[in-house]
Amino acid sequence: EIVLTQSPGTLSLSPGERATLSCRASQSIGSSYLAWYQQKPGQAPRLLIYGASSRATGIPDRFSGSGSGTDFTLTISRLEPEDFAVYYCQQYGSSPRTFGQGTKVESK
Amino acid sequence: EVQLVESGGGLVQPGGSLRLSCVASGFTFSNYWMTWVRQAPGKGLEWVANIKQDGSDRYYVDSVEGRFTISRDNAKNSLFLQMNSLRAEDTAVYYCAKNRGSGSYVDYWGQGTLVTVSS
Repeated sequence: EIVLTQSPGTLSLSPGERATLSCRASQSIGSSYLAWYQQKPGQAPRLLIYGASSRATGIPDRFSGSGSGTDFTLTISRLEPEDFAVYYCQQYGSSPRTFGQGTKVESK
Repeated sequence: EVQLVESGGGLVQPGGSLRLSCVASGFTFSNYWMTWVRQAPGKGLEWVANIKQDGSDRYYVDSVEGRFTISRDNAKNSLFLQMNSLRAEDTAVYYCAKNRGSGSYVDYWGQGTLVTVSS
């Protein structure tokens, strides 16, 4: 099983600042089968990024993904008020599919 | 518009059983892998199981293997999760989710149904 470790656990930032979230895999994820999701309280998750760097439909271009192998990053270039949420990475290169434990982006 | 509507959650005693259902609309259900994901109260997401378009391949997380069964009825655009021998640690919101490709990432999620295992 591939274990995904996200860091930091919590990121305290102000609107307009840049957020950098990390997701590290315990072994290489083939073909960059890595996705990122956003979840707000009381809501289902929403797909942001797939294939490590491709934005899902309707996702603003302030969200970007990068990385390969075992190290992946989600960057939010300038935080908007609606971006404060929990973010999860997920690998879908092998079974069982696994999620990271999440990074909470909170308003400072 | 893609819609996934779960039902069947509730309170059940340890050792009991529950069957979750998910009705899908807005896409050709039989063309896609489907997945169940759960989230314990205040915790992160946990992938539970997925199933191929025709039901011929199914995969489970180790913690539910042998206790849970994922299935589908393509004629009724429905996904199911039969949960037996339930434990307190199975308490969670269970999300029905549509996969984009072959068991790949989730592109649509239902709103979830809460399962509480408690005496």
